[in-house]
Amino acid sequence: AQKVTQAQTEISVVEKEDVTLDCVYETRDTTYYLFWYKQPPSGELVFLIRRNSFDEQNEISGRYSWNFQKSTSSFNFTITASQVVDSAVYFCALKGSWGKLQFGAGTQVVVTP
Amino acid sequence: DAGITQSPRYKITETGRQVTLMCHQTWSHSYMFWYRQDLGHGLRLIYYSAAADITDKGEVPDGYVVSRSKTENFPLTLESATRSQTSVYFCASSESGSWGKSKDYEQYFGPGTRLTVT
Repeated sequence: AQKVTQAQTEISVVEKEDVTLDCVYETRDTTYYLFWYKQPPSGELVFLIRRNSFDEQNEISGRYSWNFQKSTSSFNFTITASQVVDSAVYFCALKGSWGKLQFGAGTQVVVTP
Repeated sequence: DAGITQSPRYKITETGRQVTLMCHQTWSHSYMFWYRQDLGHGLRLIYYSAAADITDKGEVPDGYVVSRSKTENFPLTLESATRSQTSVYFCASSESGSWGKSKDYEQYFGPGTRLTVT
């Protein structure tokens, strides 16, 4: 069975602080994909990143960075110098050999000015 | 407009009524999905479709029916709505990846339909 755990329900920060969102996953598959999605207050789901299980390189995209550690089954997401526009719910998701996406429960990020 | 659309965006219905949520995508993606989003549960898969006339159950299929006669459309029907089906429903689509299992490609989501069953 596959499982994605986002233990942090809500994180509140002040603008310009860094925030790290934790994602821990479980799967028996050797090949799988991990994703992060953002859901702003407007409600749509925005794709942020896809990472396959063979690529453990960390990735940086502007103020966003992702740390994939296969040894600890984690795929953490950091927002550097947070801004009010980063306020959203962030979902981590896992896609294994059966092709379907398993979502975590989400982490609400609140950035105050 | 290109992309994935859902209609209606908001719907209020009564217990016991049948309601159909529509999903349309213009990318000719092979795969389409229906999720429901409830507080504390993230998104849970209801049904998915690998191609026209091919559908399969997801995590929470009870009380729902789907069909896919055309690649671009994937309607979701609640045959007899219940209050527990009050939720936000998202449709998504993706390309077919390796071995036709949509393994590789990310899913793109529609704007969602907020359904309230009274």
